[in-house]
Amino acid sequence: KNQVEQSPQSLIILEGKNCTLQCNYTVSPFSNLRWYKQDTGRGPVSLTIMTFSENTKSNGRYTATLDADTKQSSLHITASQLSDSASYICVVFISGGYNKLIFGAGTRLAVHP
Amino acid sequence: DAMVIQNPRYQVTQFGKPVTLSCSQTLNHNVMYWYQQKSSQAPKLLFHYYDKDFNNEADTPDNFQSRRPNTSFCFLDIRSPGLGDAAMYLCATSREGQIEGAFFGQGTRLTVV
Repeated sequence: KNQVEQSPQSLIILEGKNCTLQCNYTVSPFSNLRWYKQDTGRGPVSLTIMTFSENTKSNGRYTATLDADTKQSSLHITASQLSDSASYICVVFISGGYNKLIFGAGTRLAVHP
Repeated sequence: DAMVIQNPRYQVTQFGKPVTLSCSQTLNHNVMYWYQQKSSQAPKLLFHYYDKDFNNEADTPDNFQSRRPNTSFCFLDIRSPGLGDAAMYLCATSREGQIEGAFFGQGTRLTVV
């Protein structure tokens, strides 16, 4: 069964601290994995996309890693800001056909001053 | 510039009164998706278009229908909204074979009164 599991479910950190969000997947055939940030009441916005051959990719304060062997990905946020408070969703794409998306349940991050 | 545009951002409708949500895209993607997202949950796929081919998820209620008059536009029709249909509705697009994943609109928040 194609599944994407994220941990933790929720996280509270202080402004300026770093954090790491985890994503484990059992999806086949794997095409790519994308991390989205979703603010409350808004649509998901892409942070990074990881293909099978990529191990690490950065986008400003966001760094994503992918281990295709263990089927794990992480999203590391450095020097957190209050505006980082949002849900972070890991989405895995199944290759072939219409690009089926398998969603994780998300990690709800709260950054406190 | 927004590439996937949903209108309206907020929609209030009366119980049982038909409502239509719209989505347009400037990406020329051949796949369009409609998702329903309830609070703190992952988006749930309602249906998708692969070119002109319409694909309904097995558990999508009959109350929900969709139209795609051309590549750029897609509509979600809710024939008789119930209180349980209040949710965020997300439109997304992707292109077969490309590695960029899916692009989401900002969503339409539907309230049923």
